[in-house]
Amino acid sequence: GQNIDQPTEMTATEGAIVQINCTYQTSGFNGLFWYQQHAGEAPTFLSYNVLDGLEEKGRFSSFLSRSKGYSYLLLKELQMKDSASYLCAVRDPSSGSARQLTFGSGTQLTVLP
Amino acid sequence: GAVVSQHPSRVICKSGTSVKIECRSLDFQATTMFWYRQFPKKSLMLMATSNEGSKATYEQGVEKDKFLINHASLTLSTLTVTSAHPEDSSFYICSARGRESYEQYFGPGTRLTVT
Repeated sequence: GQNIDQPTEMTATEGAIVQINCTYQTSGFNGLFWYQQHAGEAPTFLSYNVLDGLEEKGRFSSFLSRSKGYSYLLLKELQMKDSASYLCAVRDPSSGSARQLTFGSGTQLTVLP
Repeated sequence: GAVVSQHPSRVICKSGTSVKIECRSLDFQATTMFWYRQFPKKSLMLMATSNEGSKATYEQGVEKDKFLINHASLTLSTLTVTSAHPEDSSFYICSARGRESYEQYFGPGTRLTVT
């Protein structure tokens, strides 16, 4: 089976740093994605990790440890517009289509002024 | 990045009628398209995966006769909700992926309300 866990809600202050964790248990692994989704809109791609380590892209960074089944998304210099749901998704080739993603329940981040 | 469109963005229909939602990849060939359903404040639930020219693969619990999926070309997939009921009201999102790409590109979603 597949299990992807992330906190339901987080709150942070504008200008601060926030780390959103994601743990996963899947039969196979072929990459982990982070998406941002604003209410009523489709998810937008943030990052992709397939090897261990940190991927940095501007204010956003994503880390992966395959041995621990763990990833985090780090958001720096938070802005009000960062208030959104952040979805962790894992590609597990053993689940069927090699291109299929399984999504976590999402973390609703609220940025306060 | 690649662009995926969905039409309509919002639709209201009466119980018992059918609704068709289109998903198009505008600037790439989508060999695989995915259809998701999302309830308020919930994550995306995969409904089915479709490959161009072949029958869709439905997830467990998704009725294939109720949610008809047609992936007629490399740029178009359609989802038809047949004999809609109020409980079918939801946000439906498609995504598309090209042959050599690891990334899925999402459409803007369709808000379906069944009265």
